[in-house]
Amino acid sequence: QVQLVQSGAEVKKPGSSVKVSCKASGGTFSSYTISWVRQAPGQGLEWMGRIIPILGIANYAQKFQGRVTITADKSTSTAYMELSSLRSEDTAVYYCASSVTVNWYFDLWGRGTLVTVSS
Amino acid sequence: EIVLTQSPATLSLSPGERATLSCRASQSIISYLAWYQQKPGQAPRLLLYDTSNRATGIPARFSGSGSGTDFTLTITSLEPEDAAVYYCQQRANWPRTFGQGTKLEMK
Repeated sequence: QVQLVQSGAEVKKPGSSVKVSCKASGGTFSSYTISWVRQAPGQGLEWMGRIIPILGIANYAQKFQGRVTITADKSTSTAYMELSSLRSEDTAVYYCASSVTVNWYFDLWGRGTLVTVSS
Repeated sequence: EIVLTQSPATLSLSPGERATLSCRASQSIISYLAWYQQKPGQAPRLLLYDTSNRATGIPARFSGSGSGTDFTLTITSLEPEDAAVYYCQQRANWPRTFGQGTKLEMK
């Protein structure tokens, strides 16, 4: 049974960067796309971008273009999301999500990583 | 980008009642819509995809309908554990977008 295991909570200063990892265990990592979705406190869900690990190709929501980089390491079945120039509004839970049995939708989610941006 | 507008914002119902949640898209998304359930402190869970297909393990009391721009999630005979926030999400275009959510409260 494939699972997505995310890295732990982070506290960052404004202007810095954060890199969150998402390790897929129990499945063929390269077969899946990995998306990143964030959720600010008390707010809704926001798709940031995705990567196709087998191709190494990523695409991003325009809102985050230039600030977010999504990568994947096939050798360790791990995807990464790096967000730079952090500001307080980036405080959120960041989820990785994948389409395992249902194409194009997110039927597998990590547990989320809380990123707090505070001076 | 496609904007999804959910209504109502909050729904308060009793166990055994029927819940009807709406999601309207700013342009046609054909049938490329999913519904997710999210409980406090948990990741979202996929309920329905492509409007009306139930994901693995989802009870039959959850059903979906619609096409084009107007979609509905119906939960018949509510159970206490159905209390949650429900989000719709489209996959017709990039970027993928979500509605702002409907909070279902149990009386």
